[in-house]
Amino acid sequence: DTGVSQDPRHKITKRGQNVTFRCDPISEHNRLYWYRQTLGQGPEFLTYFQNEAQLEKSRLLSDRFSAERPKGSFSTLEIQRTEQGDSAMYLCASSPGTTIGEKLFFGSGTQLSVL
Amino acid sequence: QQQVKQSPQSLIVQKGGIPIINCAYENTAFDYFPWYQQFPGKGPALLIAIRPDVSEKKEGRFTISFNKSAKQFSLHIMDSQPGDSATYFCASVPSGSARQLTFGSGTQLTVLP
Repeated sequence: DTGVSQDPRHKITKRGQNVTFRCDPISEHNRLYWYRQTLGQGPEFLTYFQNEAQLEKSRLLSDRFSAERPKGSFSTLEIQRTEQGDSAMYLCASSPGTTIGEKLFFGSGTQLSVL
Repeated sequence: QQQVKQSPQSLIVQKGGIPIINCAYENTAFDYFPWYQQFPGKGPALLIAIRPDVSEKKEGRFTISFNKSAKQFSLHIMDSQPGDSATYFCASVPSGSARQLTFGSGTQLTVLP
């Protein structure tokens, strides 16, 4: 399978706990994105990497959120001190990184439920 | 803040019908207007996209119509099939913002057999 892989698919946690999600992009894709999607809404941009550099962060990404992409390969998204409002689908996407407005390839997401 | 307004929220058509989904963007310059299709439990997948220098683009049964002066664009699905039942999102990429997509709120399409 050469698509974008996300792990875990589902995560249930208690409020106040820390959670970490992993994303493996398509091999050789330079750009990697994190989006958040709540029920009945479109995905909202969180952050974007060009190789290992985090180039853009949305104001939605509070200081409890941190994303990394060591060595420009896989990426992790950590949420500290989770709140019930963090419950959402967290989507990762990657793209080749050759043009503006190119096709994004999304993973199936990690569904987070904060109790 | 939603910069792309999408309608309708849901749509039901009979097989063979032509559902039309509309999007309007606000006073911001955008470079690129894609449509994504999402099935339950899956991430969105690119369906078709258009740039503002073109008024229409067709790929198979899917057509985007773009009206730059009205800041509106729409998706038409010809000869719709039950397998087209999914949620459709319009999106845009603001000029100069690099790479972030701004999505509409989505349209849940149901095609009845």
